[in-house]
Amino acid sequence: ELKVEQNPLFLSMQEGKNYTIYCNYSTTSDRLYWYRQDPGKSLESLFVLLSNGAVKQEGRLMASLDTKARLSTLHITAAVHDLSATYFCAVAWGGNQFYFGTGTSLTVIP
Amino acid sequence: GAGVSQSPRYKVAKRGQDVALRCDPISGHVSLFWYQQALGQGPEFLTYFQNEAQLDKSGLPSDRFFAERPEGSVSTLKIQRTQQEDSAVYLCASSLTGHAYEQYFGPGTRLTVT
Repeated sequence: ELKVEQNPLFLSMQEGKNYTIYCNYSTTSDRLYWYRQDPGKSLESLFVLLSNGAVKQEGRLMASLDTKARLSTLHITAAVHDLSATYFCAVAWGGNQFYFGTGTSLTVIP
Repeated sequence: GAGVSQSPRYKVAKRGQDVALRCDPISGHVSLFWYQQALGQGPEFLTYFQNEAQLDKSGLPSDRFFAERPEGSVSTLKIQRTQQEDSAVYLCASSLTGHAYEQYFGPGTRLTVT
């Protein structure tokens, strides 16, 4: 079974600071996803990464993928309060099975 | 356009009751997924449909869980003889194609078994 680990599980950061969330997975996959979930809400797709070295950026968030290391990162630049949420990475395996990490709960403090 | 919808949004069941959770995917989407999300955890895969065919049900935790999608659109997840450990948010997602490149999630149904 594919395992997906995220760290840190909890992250409290001040506005304006930078930080990185890490996602490690145990088996080769051709697709990696990042999602955002606000309390009581569903998952919102942020990024889809398909190939080694892929980098995608949207606003203050940037995601990258290293398939050889089985590692993806979500980098937050100059955090703002609106980014407070839980962030999940997910790995596609066996065609259409998606395995999610346990999530990183991010709190941005003014 | 309309996204994935789920009903009910909240369900409280007494232990031993049967429940049925409904998912309306985005119109025309071929693939449909069910996930279980326990409090403080990531979603866990339950089952997957391509049109009306259930291609993977390996994530269903027991034979008390049953899912169907008889006409290839609306899907129902049924849980028989609910137990406390079934308490979770049940998420439905749909995808345009069979390859499920991108999934669109519904708001979820929060099931509480008392």
